[in-house]
Amino acid sequence: GQNIDQPTEMTATEGAIVQINCTYQTSGFNGLFWYQQHAGEAPTFLSYNVLDGLEEKGRFSSFLSRSKGYSYLLLKELQMKDSASYLCAVMDSNYQLIWGAGTKLIIKP
Amino acid sequence: DGGITQSPKYLFRKEGQNVTLSCEQNLNHDAMYWYRQDPGQGLRLIYYSQIVNDFQKGDIAEGYSVSREKKESFPLTVTSAQKNPTAFYLCASSPISGGVNEQFFGPGTRLTVL
Repeated sequence: GQNIDQPTEMTATEGAIVQINCTYQTSGFNGLFWYQQHAGEAPTFLSYNVLDGLEEKGRFSSFLSRSKGYSYLLLKELQMKDSASYLCAVMDSNYQLIWGAGTKLIIKP
Repeated sequence: DGGITQSPKYLFRKEGQNVTLSCEQNLNHDAMYWYRQDPGQGLRLIYYSQIVNDFQKGDIAEGYSVSREKKESFPLTVTSAQKNPTAFYLCASSPISGGVNEQFFGPGTRLTVL
């Protein structure tokens, strides 16, 4: 079966760094996406990785290891507005997205 | 401004009634999708459409129906056959079907069946 695992909830302090992990087992692999979703709102695209390594985009970076079926999203210099759920999704061999349940990130002052 | 609109934001219906959720996009995207989001679960695909007048079932299509008569519109009907319809419904679109594309999401409709 296809499976995406992420921690349910994480807490971090404003100004700090947090790493959200995602492990996956899917039928084929055409890349991994990270989305941010504030409560009751639409998910918005953060990053896409298809090759191994780290992709940096401002305060956010995403890492992929295809051999380990593993990715992480790294958020630096945390701000209160980063409080949201972070969704990991893998595009399978049929170009369909398989979604994790999301990680709720709570930022404390 | 280009984007995806869903209406209404909140919807209440009595058990046994069919209800149709609207989704419109002006991004000129070929592909459109309907997802359901429940607490503690990942987004689950209900239906998707790669081209006008064509659509495919996703993982949880039972109790739902769709149409794609226009490129811009992909309405979802939640029928009385759907056993647990209360959920947050998200519509999405992507530029090209069958390839690697970012999906763009609408603001969602929260359906509550009383």
